[in-house]
Amino acid sequence: EAGVAQSPRYKIIEKRQSVAFWCNPISGHATLYWYQQILGQGPKLLIQFQNNGVVDDSQLPKDRFSAERLKGVDSTLKIQPAKLEDSAVYLCASSPGGSNQPQHFGDGTRLSIL
Amino acid sequence: GQQVMQIPQYQHVQEGEDFTTYCNSSTTLSNIQWYKQRPGGHPVFLIQLVKSGEVKKQKRLTFQFGEAKKNSSLHITATQTTDVGTYFCAPRRGSTLGRLYFGRGTQLTVWP
Repeated sequence: EAGVAQSPRYKIIEKRQSVAFWCNPISGHATLYWYQQILGQGPKLLIQFQNNGVVDDSQLPKDRFSAERLKGVDSTLKIQPAKLEDSAVYLCASSPGGSNQPQHFGDGTRLSIL
Repeated sequence: GQQVMQIPQYQHVQEGEDFTTYCNSSTTLSNIQWYKQRPGGHPVFLIQLVKSGEVKKQKRLTFQFGEAKKNSSLHITATQTTDVGTYFCAPRRGSTLGRLYFGRGTQLTVWP
């Protein structure tokens, strides 16, 4: 089966600019996750979708980050405006359901803020 | 909030030596998953532990879940250079819809 697809792989922007990331999960996977992984740390969950509904966005900085999964398939994560501390790898993951199932990660988008 | 301690943070071993990483939580966990991330790669699922005292083996890897469901360990016997990477524990507490909390991971280096 095809894995989780993410684009772009790399993005360099200046602070205060906007950026968007795209994720296409494994076909049939109901649950989609966006993680932020800062260098040297473990992934931190930003938002979790179950189909097109938000299950957990408690760690999403809502003043600048937004995410949507309108049709319950692919998803976009946006940052507006970006800050220097947003430099990180943004990982998308999916799982078949929400309960006790492995998460399959994409290759991520490496974001650098100048 | 959830406190997850994973130790050691770094481990350097000679090929053929054993390796163990430990994951400790301040609260009782519903389950725990383990992931491996190669340098420059993305996390890859290894195993999930659910039951108190559970032990699971995958070839040279042995995973344990503590009796109190507050700690877990991953042991690799006779490490190989292909074992290089960062090993993350990702505990989950509360409902099965609850988020995974990834620790900082243990970065394993294997010298040939």
